[in-house]
Amino acid sequence: RKEVEQDPGPFNVPEGATVAFNCTYSNSASQSFFWYRQDCRKEPKLLMSVYSSGNEDGRFTAQLNRASQYISLLIRDSKLSDSATYLCVVRNDMRFGAGTRLTVKP
Amino acid sequence: DVKVTQSSRYLVKRTGEKVFLECVQDMDHENMFWYRQDPGLGLRLIYFSYDVKMKEKGDIPEGYSVSREKKERFSLILESASTNQTSMYLCASSSRPELFFGEGSRLTVL
Repeated sequence: RKEVEQDPGPFNVPEGATVAFNCTYSNSASQSFFWYRQDCRKEPKLLMSVYSSGNEDGRFTAQLNRASQYISLLIRDSKLSDSATYLCVVRNDMRFGAGTRLTVKP
Repeated sequence: DVKVTQSSRYLVKRTGEKVFLECVQDMDHENMFWYRQDPGLGLRLIYFSYDVKMKEKGDIPEGYSVSREKKERFSLILESASTNQTSMYLCASSSRPELFFGEGSRLTVL
């Protein structure tokens, strides 16, 4: 089993839709989790950290489920500009998921 | 502003050549990383370094070596390039928790 696995995607959604991605991890001792966003032909950039209690940043909500060993990212009211690849990171292991590609269509 | 600079955006090399990929950061970070990114495989960790002259193997170190002689510079070396090392190489540095990435170096080995 890979250390970090993501929904393979691609996800194609209309503007305004709500979309969610999951990412599972195998190391139960993992402590730090993040979501990165990567635009086409660009480097990954931090989108948000994932806290145990869950956290929100505008239209984005990140959650951690330690019992089932996964993190999630929810995007509400999708915009065209949300089109990108979303990568989950288990930071203390420095491992990335393979990424989930999201395309938001008009 | 945060800056991680990779020396070459695009390189084309021949099989068997020695290849140097340079990465410089200006944030005084202790931690630096080299990843390669391939379609469908995401970012895979090659090597990382927690301090000058220190290095640790990642998941796929075979065929690569690294050098960290100065804090700001972390070099990835392909001793004898092979076609399966054609990839996008990304350098990152960090002050916990965020990783800052360079723009990447796309290497093609013919």
